[in-house]
Amino acid sequence: EIVLTQSPATLSLSPGERATLSCRASQSVSSYLAWYQQKPGQAPRLLIYDASNRATGIPARFSGSGSGTDFTLTISSLEPEDFAVYYCQQRSNWPNTFGPGTKVDIK
Amino acid sequence: QVQLVQSGAEVKKPGASVKVSCKVSGYTLTELSMHWVRQAPGKGLEWMGGFDPEDGETIYAQKFQGRVTMTEDTSTDTAYMELSSLRSEDTAVYYCATWGSPTLGAYAFDIWGQGTMVTVSS
Repeated sequence: EIVLTQSPATLSLSPGERATLSCRASQSVSSYLAWYQQKPGQAPRLLIYDASNRATGIPARFSGSGSGTDFTLTISSLEPEDFAVYYCQQRSNWPNTFGPGTKVDIK
Repeated sequence: QVQLVQSGAEVKKPGASVKVSCKVSGYTLTELSMHWVRQAPGKGLEWMGGFDPEDGETIYAQKFQGRVTMTEDTSTDTAYMELSSLRSEDTAVYYCATWGSPTLGAYAFDIWGQGTMVTVSS
């Protein structure tokens, strides 16, 4: 089973700042990595698939990069609605696995 | 567009079974690959299983093998997830999610149901 590690666990930033979230895989997942956003009491929402492709309706301030074992989700300028938990997920091998999440909260 | 509507919250006793439904609209179930993901209170996301369109089979996470059954009723476009031998650790929100809807054109969990809270308590 591929283990995903996310860092930091919590990121405290102000609106307008840049957020950089990291996801590292225990073995190569090629580009088969997705990012999800989850707000309290809501289902997750797909942001990025296959490392760098934005899902439908996702603002351009969200971008993904990386391949192999190291991936990054960048939010170029945080909006108030971006404060949430972010999960990465790999689809290289079954079972699909998720990272433990990074919480982006307001500083 | 695809929408997934799940059944309501459940309270079960240890050892019982629970069956959660996920009704599809906007597409037919045969056009989709449905998966189930759960989330214990205050915890992260855990994939349980779903339909692999590349192999044409339903696959389950090893952790749930023998306890979970995922089925579909194509006449009503409803997917089901049944979990048996419930224990307190199964208390969680259970989500259905599509594995790459036709509009996405790739594989990811792109459409999610609203979640169903299952509480296991004596």
